[in-house]
Amino acid sequence: AQKVTQAQTEISVVEKEDVTLDCVYETRDTTYYLFWYKQPPSGELVFLIRRNSFDEQNEISGRYSWNFQKSTSSFNFTITASQVVDSAVYFCALMAQGGSEKLVFGKGTKLTVNP
Amino acid sequence: GAGVSQSPSNKVTEKGKDVELRCDPISGHTALYWYRQSLGQGLEFLIYFQGNSAPDKSGLPSDRFSAERTGGSVSTLTIQRTQQEDSAVYLCASSLRGRQGYGYTFGSGTRLTVV
Repeated sequence: AQKVTQAQTEISVVEKEDVTLDCVYETRDTTYYLFWYKQPPSGELVFLIRRNSFDEQNEISGRYSWNFQKSTSSFNFTITASQVVDSAVYFCALMAQGGSEKLVFGKGTKLTVNP
Repeated sequence: GAGVSQSPSNKVTEKGKDVELRCDPISGHTALYWYRQSLGQGLEFLIYFQGNSAPDKSGLPSDRFSAERTGGSVSTLTIQRTQQEDSAVYLCASSLRGRQGYGYTFGSGTRLTVV
C-alpha cells in the first residue's frame, strides 16, 4: 500500500522568510513518481513538479526547490523568500508504477504568508 | 477544451436526492480520475478510467456512488440517495498517459452541499 504523510498541518511565516514543507512517503514499489500540487484559495489544484524514483537530483525552479532523498523516503519542498501569493494548501502525492495509476495524496499543508 | 471543465461548480441538494456531477476532460486525454476533498482533508481517490479498460472503482465509498465515461470523453459521477457526509468538493482530473506517471490536470471542482 502507498501512503503519504505531511506532518505539518499549518505553517505561518512572514513575507521573505524561507519555508520548507515536509513530505514522507511509503511504497514497496521500486518505480514510482512523486508530485507536489498547490491549491490556492480559488480551489483549483496546480501542478508544480513531478519526480521519478530513479532521479534523486535536487531541482530548483525560481524560488522553489525540491529535495528528494530515497534513503529517508522524503520529498521536501522549500520556498525561498516567500511571498503573500504563495499562501495556499500544498499537497504532496505519490503514484506507484505497480497497480492502479492513481495518485495518493497527503492531507496537505496550509501555508500562510503574512505581509 | 483548454482545461478540465466541471459542472455545476456548486450544487446544493436535499438529503435523499440523487445528484449528477459532470466532467469534461482535456481533449485527447485517455485517463480520467475522480477525487473527493472533504473539509480540511486531503484528496480521496474515487474512480479511475483509462481508455477502454475496465475502470478502477476501488475508491468508491459505497454502492450509492457510480460513474461512467461515455465515448472515452465526458464522465458523470452519480450519487444516489445523498447523505450529509457526501458534502465535499468533487474534483475531476485527466491525464495524457496514466501509466507513465504524468501529472494530472485538475478541474475546479464541484462543491456539493447536502442539507
